[in-house]
Amino acid sequence: QQPVQSPQAVILREGEDAVINCSSSKALYSVHWYRQKHGEAPVFLMILLKGGEQKGHEKISASFNEKKQQSSLYLTASQLSYSGTYFCGTLSSGNTPLVFGKGTRLSVIA
Amino acid sequence: KAGVTQTPRYLIKTRGQQVTLSCSPISGHRSVSWYQQTPGQGLQFLFEYFSETQRNKGNFPGRFSGRQFSNSRSEMNVSTLELGDSALYLCASSLDGQGYGEAFFGQGTRLTVV
Repeated sequence: QQPVQSPQAVILREGEDAVINCSSSKALYSVHWYRQKHGEAPVFLMILLKGGEQKGHEKISASFNEKKQQSSLYLTASQLSYSGTYFCGTLSSGNTPLVFGKGTRLSVIA
Repeated sequence: KAGVTQTPRYLIKTRGQQVTLSCSPISGHRSVSWYQQTPGQGLQFLFEYFSETQRNKGNFPGRFSGRQFSNSRSEMNVSTLELGDSALYLCASSLDGQGYGEAFFGQGTRLTVV
């Protein structure tokens, strides 16, 4: 079942903060975050695993509430380069597919 | 190292025809997943192949099929095309499969059905 992302879209000025939420009705094993810029392929941001482990490249923070099956992505001091569509993907177990939400479109303006 | 390569990049087909899309994963990656992307629907999971075996399948009709070869290259096929199949088809490769680490997406194949 597809996770639900909120908000659907947000517009920020440079330097402002944003939070993108992802929730699932199923118990989750992991949550994955990707960003897709217009006309480009989605790019990996972070994985949050049940138990607290996180793997990621960028200076982006996120949380994973296992009890509520929710994750939040925190974008602080936003830059123009943060613009794009953010997708969360959820995995219920090791044998289930990674299912993505419909995405949150983030626009950062000067 | 070379990224994920999808061919062709663009396709225009007529209703009723069939189409085959190709995905070459990053060298050493054993898992290939396919997604359909349409405006407003996000990334809809089609299937995942791992070491030539289909590990998971999404909720798509049987017209959508795929396979993976021994070199990990994967193809997906759509038969009897419908207008609603127009979409960007993305494949993603990963070392050990979905959920175990970073997935690398290709640029996609944009399919237009007329």
